[in-house]
Amino acid sequence: NAGVMQNPRHLVRRRGQEARLRCSPMKGHSHVYWYRQLPEEGLKFMVYLQKENIIDESGMPKERFSAEFPKEGPSILRIQQVVRGDSAAYFCASSPPAGGLTDTQYFGPGTRLTVL
Amino acid sequence: TQLLEQSPQFLSIQEGENLTVYCNSSSVFSSLQWYRQEPGEGPVLLVTVVTGGEVKKLKRLTFQFGDARKDSSLHITAAQPGDTGLYLCAGARAGGTSYGKLTFGQGTILTVHP
Repeated sequence: NAGVMQNPRHLVRRRGQEARLRCSPMKGHSHVYWYRQLPEEGLKFMVYLQKENIIDESGMPKERFSAEFPKEGPSILRIQQVVRGDSAAYFCASSPPAGGLTDTQYFGPGTRLTVL
Repeated sequence: TQLLEQSPQFLSIQEGENLTVYCNSSSVFSSLQWYRQEPGEGPVLLVTVVTGGEVKKLKRLTFQFGDARKDSSLHITAAQPGDTGLYLCAGARAGGTSYGKLTFGQGTILTVHP
């Protein structure tokens, strides 16, 4: 999973601030996924993106959360007006274009968000 | 909603013992992946199984995908303290609205005592 880059690794925000989490997929990968791991809970799917397209955002909270994967640059998960309940580890994963083992996802090291 | 039931949730054993972790669902998956996660790190892929009945071996780890592709198991032979960690199974479905998302089990925290 060393190929998937996430930054920052740790992020501290006060309630009401914005959090921006970045993910650079593995080289050659065009599919990006975001997952959230709450304390004492398992990993939960949030959103699936391809370049410039949101494919599935069924796991995203309806408000305050958004994600993008622009043509150039990393994928961004943005949380506006953070609340304490947003404190969690956020993981990005990537997979190769369709045609290979498309189901295999490789994870980054995660961003640990703490909301004070 | 697809659920993956992983058991046991906690496993504490002595070095040299064997163990099996199970991952069960009522849903069919196109593939199933096993990951290992260390504290403060992301899940690291161990194996992907895609064919019903498939068995894959990775040194002392043996992974099996059920014939009906609804369940999977991870067997570790002669466990070592270095095997300690969180083991996660995750299922993927191809096609339909579930395409692309992994459904994770709750995880098994394995502790191997020297």
